[in-house]
Amino acid sequence: DSGVTQTPKHLITATGQRVTLRCSPRSGDLSVYWYQQSLDQGLQFLIQYYNGEERAKGNILERFSAQQFPDLHSELNLSSLELGDSALYFCASSLVWTSTDTQYFGPGTRLTVL
Amino acid sequence: GENVEQHPSTLSVQEGDSAVIKCTYSDSASNYFPWYKQELGKGPQLIIDIRSNVGEKKDQRIAVTLNKTAKHFSLHITETQPEDSAVYFCAARLNSGGYQKVTFGTGTKLQVIP
Repeated sequence: DSGVTQTPKHLITATGQRVTLRCSPRSGDLSVYWYQQSLDQGLQFLIQYYNGEERAKGNILERFSAQQFPDLHSELNLSSLELGDSALYFCASSLVWTSTDTQYFGPGTRLTVL
Repeated sequence: GENVEQHPSTLSVQEGDSAVIKCTYSDSASNYFPWYKQELGKGPQLIIDIRSNVGEKKDQRIAVTLNKTAKHFSLHITETQPEDSAVYFCAARLNSGGYQKVTFGTGTKLQVIP
């Protein structure tokens, strides 16, 4: 158990809909990262927040957005969903934000768009 | 941007044999190289990491080597056991302009045959 929690575990929705994925980092960690894992794209970094502020952006679509709240939990919002958005979404956390900081991954949310 | 190539994509070994997975990276500014193990239905779990100022690191049956000149790093698992069967990912991370960038390899599915 990494100490990172994600909800929900599974999510099934329809195209065009909007969903919110939630992540709680390990106790004491200030950074949260979001990743998308699909069969054809592998593990892709989406976005990072540090202490409530956006720190880095990866391959995140404009239809997706995220935020980190004062209690350090984070939410990833996916809107106008398409079939291709079906994937595993992972959250990870680390103590701070440096590149050598160890990241701990949560169990993931499996999103299925029908 | 950074490009990480990982080989092989699949690897089958007999229990007790060694397994080696290799990754190459393109950006010489990358300074941290973690390896993750992902079991079915779970999030990636950090198993070992190496920083750019170190050439080799060992933790029991697992070792990682880094050749900065050639820009490649490898994961070595000795005395493999069936529970080592999983997908292994390498990654390269760097700080760029205060932002952290992380790129993952495409994964190696390791099967340890009892």
